[in-house]
Amino acid sequence: NAGVMQNPRHLVRRRGQEARLRCSPMKGHSHVYWYRQLPEEGLKFMVYLQKENIIDESGMPKERFSAEFPKEGPSILRIQQVVRGDSAAYFCASSGTGRSGEQYFGPGTRLTVT
Amino acid sequence: QKEVEQNSGPLSVPEGAIASLNCTYSDRGSQSFFWYRQYSGKSPELIMFIYSNGDKEDGRFTAQLNKASQYVSLLIRDSQPSDSATYLCAGRNSGNTPLVFGKGTRLSVIA
Repeated sequence: NAGVMQNPRHLVRRRGQEARLRCSPMKGHSHVYWYRQLPEEGLKFMVYLQKENIIDESGMPKERFSAEFPKEGPSILRIQQVVRGDSAAYFCASSGTGRSGEQYFGPGTRLTVT
Repeated sequence: QKEVEQNSGPLSVPEGAIASLNCTYSDRGSQSFFWYRQYSGKSPELIMFIYSNGDKEDGRFTAQLNKASQYVSLLIRDSQPSDSATYLCAGRNSGNTPLVFGKGTRLSVIA
């Protein structure tokens, strides 16, 4: 499977627990983006990373949320002390180099906070 | 504040007709534009991208860009019921900057 991979596909957490979402970019891609989609709303950018670097985190809440893309392994979006408002679909996208830099999306992780 | 605006719809067209989806953007610095299709409960799927003024055709799909009017559109010819989905318009500045998405237009193709 050469596409963007995300896991888990579904994640249920109780309020106050931690959620860890993982994303492996498409083969040959070095740019990773995380987006969040709330019910009946559009996709909102959260964070943009390259290997070992956060390039732009302007869309990510300053508290409880963090992201990394280590030299080895997948990118991880971490949400600490989850609240009900964190329930959403979290999508990862990746792109390669080139003028258009089109982004391809993974299947998403649907987080439910109970 | 960079914004991308789309009519939420639903846009209903009969099978075989042309569906026209429109999008406007506020940031004149936006260079590239992308159309994604999203079925309910699924992830966005890239249909087309365009960065030059004019038309770009790919099969039944044509993307149109008018930078002077800050307007992007997607035409779907010979619409099929399987085209029924939400269509997301997104813009970005140059390079690998993040996408700014509209809220999407729901398209319903009636058999």
